[in-house]
Amino acid sequence: ETGVTQTPRHLVMGMTNKKSLKCEQHLGHNAMYWYKQSAKKPLELMFVYNFKEQTENNSVPSRFSPECPNSSHLFLHLHTLQPEDSALYLCASSQGERGGTGELFFGEGSRLTVL
Amino acid sequence: QQQVKQSPQSLIVQKGGISIINCAYENTAFDYFPWYQQFPGKGPALLIAIRPDVSEKKEGRFTISFNKSAKQFSLHIMDSQPGDSATYFCAASLPGNTPLVFGKGTRLSVIA
Repeated sequence: ETGVTQTPRHLVMGMTNKKSLKCEQHLGHNAMYWYKQSAKKPLELMFVYNFKEQTENNSVPSRFSPECPNSSHLFLHLHTLQPEDSALYLCASSQGERGGTGELFFGEGSRLTVL
Repeated sequence: QQQVKQSPQSLIVQKGGISIINCAYENTAFDYFPWYQQFPGKGPALLIAIRPDVSEKKEGRFTISFNKSAKQFSLHIMDSQPGDSATYFCAASLPGNTPLVFGKGTRLSVIA
């Protein structure tokens, strides 16, 4: 496999469920990101990890919990979500923490629907 | 000051025409301005990028024009093709370890 792979591609969950989104990058990058993409809104940065260390938490509610066990894997644990959390969640990686100097490589996203 | 304002929200262009998408920013400390292209069902992918030391960058049919004094930059797609139909995002970032700030996106439809 190449690039950035996200699973599952689609997820439907109730507000009381607990689920996780998984991201894996095969590019040898050291930085990984979670973005939220909602209709008619800018891409919202949620979390940044650099060499497995969280370097940015963009005021994300605690019902979203990231985990980065190594530089190639990133998880987003979800619990007690709200319907307004329904969105496309995009994982990205880059060589270097700053996506500005290093190109961001995105996965295809996990489409989340919260009922 | 961290925002990037993108317009129009949607754009319909005839095949062979020129597509123009504009972005404006306030923070003069931004020093990197990429454009990302996203097809339905896919993640965004870097299309072209520019730094403020040049006023224009061209890659094939895609050109970024940068106006530092006006704090604006735009994407021009020459000879637009139906395969260019996608959502385009402008972005900007500050020097140092700061992630990209994205615009809201422009949905481009190129019709035959």
